[in-house]
Amino acid sequence: DSGVTQTPKHLITATGQRVTLRCSPRSGDLSVYWYQQSLDQGLQFLIQYYNGEERAKGNILERFSAQQFPDLHSELNLSSLELGDSALYFCASSAGQDNQPQHFGDGTRLSIL
Amino acid sequence: DAKTTQPTSMDCAEGRAANLPCNHSTISGNEYVYWYRQIHSQGPQYIIHGLKNNETNEMASLIITEDRKSSTLILPHATLRDTAVYYCIVRVTGGYQKVTFGTGTKLQVIP
Repeated sequence: DSGVTQTPKHLITATGQRVTLRCSPRSGDLSVYWYQQSLDQGLQFLIQYYNGEERAKGNILERFSAQQFPDLHSELNLSSLELGDSALYFCASSAGQDNQPQHFGDGTRLSIL
Repeated sequence: DAKTTQPTSMDCAEGRAANLPCNHSTISGNEYVYWYRQIHSQGPQYIIHGLKNNETNEMASLIITEDRKSSTLILPHATLRDTAVYYCIVRVTGGYQKVTFGTGTKLQVIP
């Protein structure tokens, strides 16, 4: 158990819809990272937050947005969903000092019908 | 972040040491080397990291060459449960940059 909690585990929805994925980091971790992993693809970094502020941005679509709340949990919002958005979405957290490793949650499997 | 190069796949006999190489020839002096693994579609699992000295923990050993241009992850006694995709990444300390996971090495442990 990494200590990172992601909900829901599975999500099935239709094209054009909007969903919110939630991540609770490990106790004491200030940084949260979001990744997308499509079928048989590598992990694509989306975005990082540190103590409520955006710190690094990867290949995140404009239809996607994220935020980190004062209690340090984070949400990833995906809107105008397309079939290609079907993927595993992972959240990871780290202590915040940049050399500390990331610890990953079990992911949310998003299926777009 | 520096790019890394790993073999696409490797086999290892159960009980033998698995040595997974990673090339990071453009690594900077302030970049750490991290290893993660992903078993099937589970969340990636942190294994070990280091800057320039060799490191060992309960899971594995990390050997970094003196010029830091390459490293090797060693699983001393591979088991079937070690079958996974192993990712080597390098990341700068201080500042905040995007994280780049490559395609990794698919390690198959054979009975």
